[in-house]
Amino acid sequence: GDSVTQMEGPVTLSEEAFLTINCTYTATGYPSLFWYVQYPGEGLQLLLKATKADDKGSNKGFEATYRKETTSFHLEKGSVQVSDSAVYFCALSDRTGNQFYFGTGTSLTVIP
Amino acid sequence: GAVVSQHPSWVICKSGTSVKIECRSLDFQATTMFWYRQFPKQSLMLMATSNEGSKATYEQGVEKDKFLINHASLTLSTLTVTSAHPEDSSFYICSAGLAGAFGELFFGEGSRLTVL
Repeated sequence: GDSVTQMEGPVTLSEEAFLTINCTYTATGYPSLFWYVQYPGEGLQLLLKATKADDKGSNKGFEATYRKETTSFHLEKGSVQVSDSAVYFCALSDRTGNQFYFGTGTSLTVIP
Repeated sequence: GAVVSQHPSWVICKSGTSVKIECRSLDFQATTMFWYRQFPKQSLMLMATSNEGSKATYEQGVEKDKFLINHASLTLSTLTVTSAHPEDSSFYICSAGLAGAFGELFFGEGSRLTVL
């Protein structure tokens, strides 16, 4: 079945460091891919998404490219800030939303 | 964008009582909503799929009689934790999809349940 494998955390970075959180997926068909962010005590917010191969999702300095050849959707940010400290979830959907799969989440802490 | 709202955000109750959590789609109609449970430092666990006008579909291992789900309208689903016990303490999150959104799910703010 479909699944998402996400880099284990926790990740601790200094402010302005480069961030990469790896995410690979297994899917039949042509899924949509997402990164959600969860700040402490809150629900999930969509960070970015890509709905077809080679699409690049971007938001708030974060980027991820839908790579079909490597079945990956790695999250990157060139310069992290303390306010980026949160848990990041990679997710996959069958495009209807009826089948939705989360990665295990990666906790990011950015220190000043 | 599509907005999903949960209420209450925090609830504390005594063991043996029942607690109801509401999930509303504020600006769209949702025939299907999803209820998740999240333990500390863990990912989301799908509990059940709530279908408007019909019975919810529960995931394996989730007690139907413990977690009652009702989806009485296209904008409201409720999760009732019956005869709550301390082990039911958790963070509960609902979500809904929107036609044409390529499978994106929109999440509520979450509800923190603490059972004393």
